[in-house]
Amino acid sequence: KAGVTQTPRYLIKTRGQQVTLSCSPISGHRSVSWYQQTPGQGLQFLFEYFSETQRNKGNFPGRFSGRQFSNSRSEMNVSTLELGDSALYLCASSLEPLGGYTFGSGTRLTVV
Amino acid sequence: QKEVEQNSGPLSVPEGAIASLNCTYSDRVSQSFFWYRQYSGKSPELIMSIYSNGDKEDGRFTAQLNKASQYVSLLIRDSQPSDSATYLCAVTGGATNKLIFGTGTLLAVQP
Repeated sequence: KAGVTQTPRYLIKTRGQQVTLSCSPISGHRSVSWYQQTPGQGLQFLFEYFSETQRNKGNFPGRFSGRQFSNSRSEMNVSTLELGDSALYLCASSLEPLGGYTFGSGTRLTVV
Repeated sequence: QKEVEQNSGPLSVPEGAIASLNCTYSDRVSQSFFWYRQYSGKSPELIMSIYSNGDKEDGRFTAQLNKASQYVSLLIRDSQPSDSATYLCAVTGGATNKLIFGTGTLLAVQP
């Protein structure tokens, strides 16, 4: 059974650019969440989607957005990148919202 | 006050000993509690979930939940060097209806 797949694994972007990260959940999982992980802040909740609907959003600026498609795949977008957006972005999926999540390997974003 | 608090460690235990990891949470109506293990450079991996007061055992791992004290713990018996990792406590439900993580406790098991 394939796990949670995140692409790309690594990204280097310049300040002011935008980026789109992709996540394919485990087959059959309809809940997808995104987290930002940094050494200082730990895992910070970005958003949660279930059946194409955003159920919850964390305390991030509007530059961070996301969506979920009918096949449960999800994307997150960060516009007008700032140096502080450099982090590991993790996607996690579960059968139901707020269930035990399975995490993907993450996308390491570096903003220069 | 942070929503989920953990001692950052490092917690150092000798091989074969019991490692005890603790977590407190602030939202009294939280419903679901999880422990994740994260090796350096890897993503978090779910190792235990607990939903009601008391103990839940799975192999060498025991999760303990005390909702009155807003406290959840993880015991690792017969600790092995391969258990050396950061252990993340996560709490869901309640007012925020989000899965919130603590910052993790680094466990080092000494051979």
